[in-house]
Amino acid sequence: DTGVSQDPRHKITKRGQNVTFRCDPISEHNRLYWYRQTLGQGPEFLTYFQNEAQLEKSRLLSDRFSAERPKGSFSTLEIQRTEQGDSAMYLCASSLVDPQETQYFGPGTRLLVL
Amino acid sequence: QKEVEQDPGPLSVPEGAIVSLNCTYSNSAFQYFMWYRQYSRKGPELLMYTYSSGNKEDGRFTAQVDKSSKYISLFIRDSQPSDSATYLCAAQGTGAGSYQLTFGKGTKLSVIP
Repeated sequence: DTGVSQDPRHKITKRGQNVTFRCDPISEHNRLYWYRQTLGQGPEFLTYFQNEAQLEKSRLLSDRFSAERPKGSFSTLEIQRTEQGDSAMYLCASSLVDPQETQYFGPGTRLLVL
Repeated sequence: QKEVEQDPGPLSVPEGAIVSLNCTYSNSAFQYFMWYRQYSRKGPELLMYTYSSGNKEDGRFTAQVDKSSKYISLFIRDSQPSDSATYLCAAQGTGAGSYQLTFGKGTKLSVIP
């Protein structure tokens, strides 16, 4: 499978715990994006990387959130001290640097904070 | 007001019907417009991609953009039960700082056999 992959697919945690999600983009894609989607809403942009550089962050990305892409390949998204409001689907997408910049999404990680 | 507005439905049609899905947007900087299909508990799958105004056809799907009225449409001909999903419209600007996609809420479509 050469698409975007995400791990884990589901995560249940207790409030206050830290969680980390991983995204593996399509291999030749150098742009990687994180989005969050809550029930009944469209995905909302969180942050994006070009290679290993984090170039843009949404104001939705509070201080408890941190994302990395250390070698310009896979990326991790960590949420510290989780809150019930963090419960959502976390989506990763990747794209080439080309005029169209089509973003291809992974299957998402569904987080439930109890 | 959200930058991309979409009626969440739900929309229910009989098999074989023509489906019309619509969005409006408010940001004049948007130049690229997409339609994604999302099955329950899955990630969005790109269906159609258009640049600026005009029509684009791919099989049973036609995407239409009217920049003068800031209106985006997706038409599905000969709808099938397998088309039952949530359809998300998205828009994107150009240049630095515009790489993020701005999505509508999604319209949930059911095609009844």
